[in-house]
Amino acid sequence: GEDVEQSLFLSVREGDSSVINCTYTDSSSTYLYWYKQEPGAGLQLLTYIFSNMDMKQDQRLTVLLNKKDKHLSLRIADTQTGDSAIYFCAETPSYIPTFGRGTSLIVHP
Amino acid sequence: DGGITQSPKYLFRKEGQNVTLSCEQNLNHDAMYWYRQDPGQGLRLIYYSQIVNDFQKGDIAEGYSVSREKKESFPLTVTSAQKNPTAFYLCAARGSGANVLTFGAGSRLTVL
Repeated sequence: GEDVEQSLFLSVREGDSSVINCTYTDSSSTYLYWYKQEPGAGLQLLTYIFSNMDMKQDQRLTVLLNKKDKHLSLRIADTQTGDSAIYFCAETPSYIPTFGRGTSLIVHP
Repeated sequence: DGGITQSPKYLFRKEGQNVTLSCEQNLNHDAMYWYRQDPGQGLRLIYYSQIVNDFQKGDIAEGYSVSREKKESFPLTVTSAQKNPTAFYLCAARGSGANVLTFGAGSRLTVL
């Protein structure tokens, strides 16, 4: 199976919260990451969490980490149409970043 | 502004031709990476380099080659041996703080 797994699509209404989920396999990753990719562009770091933390909040973004279940989630509050993009979860065991297949977030007006 | 510059943004190639994608960084990062992105398949690692004059194969290195003669530069050559080269190629460099990757804007290669 894949090292990092994500669902491929998520559709939400503007103003609602979005929750994107990810499972990973390598418990040695010191950090876990969320990247955002807009159409035709490279990836940009959204946020990351240190592996000894359970939660990190940054404005509209909340990251939750459950190390026991190797589960990472990204919550976007008050989702806007500009949040429509592909969101990638990533882990970095042995300094080689491994990405999930990405979750396409579609925001309806 | 520090960052990664990839060129060209779009490239068309005839079958049987080699092409080289450029990746330049001014971040002073040691580690650099090349990924290939296909729709619905996420990012797959082609090659990476931890330091100048050294590089390692990733998961899908067949049909590709790289060099790392300077810290700033990590060009990728897509050879005629690559059977399905049409894809979006992303170059990245890894910083030491939290091992965050900085990506270039990507190069889209289309084989005609």
